[in-house]
Amino acid sequence: GAVVSQHPSWVICKSGTSVKIECRSLDFQATTMFWYRQFPKQSLMLMATSNEGSKATYEQGVEKDKFLINHASLTLSTLTVTSAHPEDSSFYICSGGQGTGEQFFGPGTRLTVL
Amino acid sequence: GENVEQHPSTLSVQEGDSAVIKCTYSDSASNYFPWYKQELGKGPQLIIDIRSNVGEKKDQRIAVTLNKTAKHFSLHITETQPEDSAVYFCAASIKGGSYIPTFGRGTSLIVHP
Repeated sequence: GAVVSQHPSWVICKSGTSVKIECRSLDFQATTMFWYRQFPKQSLMLMATSNEGSKATYEQGVEKDKFLINHASLTLSTLTVTSAHPEDSSFYICSGGQGTGEQFFGPGTRLTVL
Repeated sequence: GENVEQHPSTLSVQEGDSAVIKCTYSDSASNYFPWYKQELGKGPQLIIDIRSNVGEKKDQRIAVTLNKTAKHFSLHITETQPEDSAVYFCAASIKGGSYIPTFGRGTSLIVHP
């Protein structure tokens, strides 16, 4: 099956610093990548959708200047949480798709902001 | 926009029993319905999906049924095993909407050995 990796798997940072999370599709080309946020015992909340080479489309309520998304190639997307604060602590998950409906999720990144 | 309701929120069964999770959706234009399994601390994994042109799909112990008229779809797991214990999410999406999914709230399935 299609494999998506994320790096790092977990990160702890100080308040005010920026954190970058990488998402890679290892064995397929992801024309669309999705970034989600998930709080404990809750469903996935879509943050943004990005197509390769285009600006990301952010969901309502998601600050695009705080959550910078880059989709530089068909196999790589990055999410940068700028000036992170404790309320940004969460589980961030990316997924890749090829326009057929199936999404293949990464293993997630646990962000803890102190 | 699309609204997906999922029930039950928690399901506890004995090993070997069957488990059924149900979802309803609101947008009749939705045409792709995946189910995901998420284990603790991991990303969701696609386990089965169904498109609106079929009513049922089966893959070994897992099956999904779709009733377009009633706008509901269900996941059926037979002969449950402890390793089936996880959170299961249903979703609905539309091809014309770039297949951006709307997820249900999840069902925590616990299979007791």
